[in-house]
Amino acid sequence: EAGVVQSPRYKIIEKKQPVAFWCNPISGHNTLYWYLQNLGQGPELLIRYENEEAVDDSQLPKDRFSAERLKGVDSTLKIQPAELGDSAVYLCASSFSGGNTEAFFGQGTRLTVV
Amino acid sequence: DAKTTQPTSMDCAEGRAANLPCNHSTISGNEYVYWYRQIHSQGPQYIIHGLKNNETNEMASLIITEDRKSSTLILPHATLRDTAVYYCIAAPSQAAGNKLTFGGGTRVLVKP
Repeated sequence: EAGVVQSPRYKIIEKKQPVAFWCNPISGHNTLYWYLQNLGQGPELLIRYENEEAVDDSQLPKDRFSAERLKGVDSTLKIQPAELGDSAVYLCASSFSGGNTEAFFGQGTRLTVV
Repeated sequence: DAKTTQPTSMDCAEGRAANLPCNHSTISGNEYVYWYRQIHSQGPQYIIHGLKNNETNEMASLIITEDRKSSTLILPHATLRDTAVYYCIAAPSQAAGNKLTFGGGTRVLVKP
């Protein structure tokens, strides 16, 4: 079975341009997470979904970042407009909601804003 | 989530056991200890977790002190592929949907 799939793997854009990242979680996983990882640091949570509902978006910079999880499966994270400081790796993870289970991470999308 | 403290980096020899310490002195009674690792250019990978008792799986063993203020992840026979950043996280059950708060982790280099 495929794990968490993210695309694109790499993205280079000019500042002030929009960008979108896509995530397909593991089949059956209700919970979906988006994390931001700066170079040399641990991942930081941006938003967490339970099915199609965003239950924790307190760390999402809502002036330029948005996310959606239509139908409670795939998710898209968007930045508009991108800034130089947004250069980072964006990780998607998923897990079951019930039981003490692990989170599975995708390989991430490495964004470079120039 | 309770704060965890880990050494910034450590080296270990291939084939030997690697013991990775973690301090979580403010851990509360409902918080588990989770370990994840991140190999270069990949997403984090779950290793093991525990509450009070020691745990073992095919990847590693987790030893939690009786007062739960610290723990040690043991990789019994380190291989070159175990070179990674290892994160120790104290958090309530993931079943509650709580976020995993990653710190800086320990950068482990396994040397031949």
